[in-house]
Amino acid sequence: AQSVTQLDSQVPVFEEAPVELRCNYSSSVSVYLFWYVQYPNQGLQLLLKYLSGSTLVESINGFEAEFNKSQTSFHLRKPSVHISDTAEYFCAVWGGSEKLVFGKGTKLTVNP
Amino acid sequence: GAGVSQSPSNKVTEKGKDVELRCDPISGHTALYWYRQSLGQGLEFLIYFQGNSAPDKSGLPSDRFSAERTGGSVSTLTIQRTQQEDSAVYLCASSATSESYNEQFFGPGTRLTVL
Repeated sequence: AQSVTQLDSQVPVFEEAPVELRCNYSSSVSVYLFWYVQYPNQGLQLLLKYLSGSTLVESINGFEAEFNKSQTSFHLRKPSVHISDTAEYFCAVWGGSEKLVFGKGTKLTVNP
Repeated sequence: GAGVSQSPSNKVTEKGKDVELRCDPISGHTALYWYRQSLGQGLEFLIYFQGNSAPDKSGLPSDRFSAERTGGSVSTLTIQRTQQEDSAVYLCASSATSESYNEQFFGPGTRLTVL
């Protein structure tokens, strides 16, 4: 069985500051890793994913995440956030079963 | 439609009533999932359907919850004798198949409030 821990439930930052949203997972098998984003009053959207290959993956809006197998982590980072990045971010793992296992989410609030 | 749709978008009901939530997956997707998103609890898997196989009901929290998928397409999640703790956003997702990894596409959710 897999589990996901998102260490911060809320992260407030100022606009143009860097941010890191932490995600750790546990699994006895190889996994695929994902970050989903949920903007206010909207559904979940896939932000980025790690399936194989390069351990550093990027999204089209400047976020990146690095798969670290030894630390079982998949932290999400952005060097400079915008007001529009305010959303809830969910880390998820897929370990070969049919369902995704999600963390409890991190609410990112970007203040002017 | 281009994406997963769910109806209603909001549902307010009284404790003890039954409710039905509907999900229309992306056309051609054989796998369909239901999740529950409660405040501070993240997303909780409820049930999934893959083609004509028996559904995986391992995430249903009680026997008041049931779901069916007719014709391999539309799915209905039914909650009988609703309780206040059932208040949550119920999300539906679909993917091309569950037999290997395929991206799950999520609907906008149904916000259920039990008074």
